[in-house]
Amino acid sequence: GEQVEQRPPHLSVREGDSAIIICTYTDSATAYFSWYKQEAGAGLQLLMSVLSNVDRKEEQGLTVLLNKKDKRLSLNLTAAHPGDSAVYFCAVSANSGTYQRFGTGTKLQVVP
Amino acid sequence: EAAVTQSPRSKVAVTGGKVTLSCHQTNNHDYMYWYRQDTGHGLRLIHYSYVADSTEKGDIPDGYKASRPSQENFSLILELASLSQTAVYFCASSDPGSSSYEQYFGPGTRLTVL
Repeated sequence: GEQVEQRPPHLSVREGDSAIIICTYTDSATAYFSWYKQEAGAGLQLLMSVLSNVDRKEEQGLTVLLNKKDKRLSLNLTAAHPGDSAVYFCAVSANSGTYQRFGTGTKLQVVP
Repeated sequence: EAAVTQSPRSKVAVTGGKVTLSCHQTNNHDYMYWYRQDTGHGLRLIHYSYVADSTEKGDIPDGYKASRPSQENFSLILELASLSQTAVYFCASSDPGSSSYEQYFGPGTRLTVL
């Protein structure tokens, strides 16, 4: 089945710097890609999702890049601030709305 | 506003006991899911359902049963709880017809098996 790897497991950046998280997947039929944010003690909140026909998507200081050839998905938080400190997960699925497979998570700490 | 609620929010159970975790959604979504979260493993799918009175096995179904008595409710049942089932459990719902591909998550249930 689909294998999803996420790195790094921990990431610490200074306020205003960029933070990049990368996921790789194995199934070439993967069609939907999402990034979630989990704050302490809370559930997961969707940040952004893209279809496989999208190479790049930007929203509110977040950039998602999709490289289908290398089966790699990345999330770039530009100008990170302390409120971005959380655990981030990538998730992939073959079909819209059906179950997703999640990466192992990246704990991001943004220090002032 | 779309919402997924879970009960209880935390529970301590004894080994060999029966545990039922409940999930309720007001999203009118057809799909519902149960995941468990362990440090270093992210979220792993236990069971899911795409219609009432039907459930499907996910990636790690052993030791768990699921029940979907209505569109709104989805339960996870541990008939004989074991130490290895200590984890945080998340319920989610989604609409397969949606263009956003979003799964809406509940706040989680922290289960400790002693």
